[in-house]
Amino acid sequence: QKEVEQDPGPLSVPEGAIVSLNCTYSNSAFQYFMWYRQYSRKGPELLMYTYSSGNKEDGRFTAQVDKSSKYISLFIRDSQPSDSATYLCAMTSGGSNYKLTFGKGTLLTVNP
Amino acid sequence: DAGVTQSPTHLIKTRGQQVTLRCSPKSGHDTVSWYQQALGQGPQFIFQYYEEEERQRGNFPDRFSGHQFPNYSSELNVNALLLGDSALYLCASSLTTGWNEKLFFGSGTQLSVL
Repeated sequence: QKEVEQDPGPLSVPEGAIVSLNCTYSNSAFQYFMWYRQYSRKGPELLMYTYSSGNKEDGRFTAQVDKSSKYISLFIRDSQPSDSATYLCAMTSGGSNYKLTFGKGTLLTVNP
Repeated sequence: DAGVTQSPTHLIKTRGQQVTLRCSPKSGHDTVSWYQQALGQGPQFIFQYYEEEERQRGNFPDRFSGHQFPNYSSELNVNALLLGDSALYLCASSLTTGWNEKLFFGSGTQLSVL
């Protein structure tokens, strides 16, 4: 079983839709959770990070963490064509562990 | 403010050859991490350098080695290249004040091994 599971999609939605992206994990030591956006032929760009269960909101983006279920989500409201990218979840136990463990990524296309 | 810069952007090598990839961190950052991203996969941690020392290593063979220079720039070396080493190699920099919640990635070096 992989430490982090993420549905690779692809996911195609119309402009303005609410998008839900999800990851599950098996390592209970993970304490810090991140979402990255990666455009084609570019490096990942940090969108959101959180370290507690619950919701964190930043503009159109909301990150949700449920540590009891080992489940994290990213919601995108009012999706735009410019949101079309691959979304990667990442997590780490922190402390003296500097390694991020990534999901496979979900390819999202927002159609005008 | 320049972000993380990597060179070259693309590279083609043959099996058995050796390759060196280079990375300049974001201004003010002192820590460099390297990740390998195969097609359709998430990035996999290779190692991290801080104060010119390898601080942590992922599950990669000794063919993968690195170096960090006093100006914080870094190199990734891969010896005896295999077809399976074909991937996007990403460098990420951060400022060591705690855990790496704010990693900044470069655009990567696309390595093709023929």
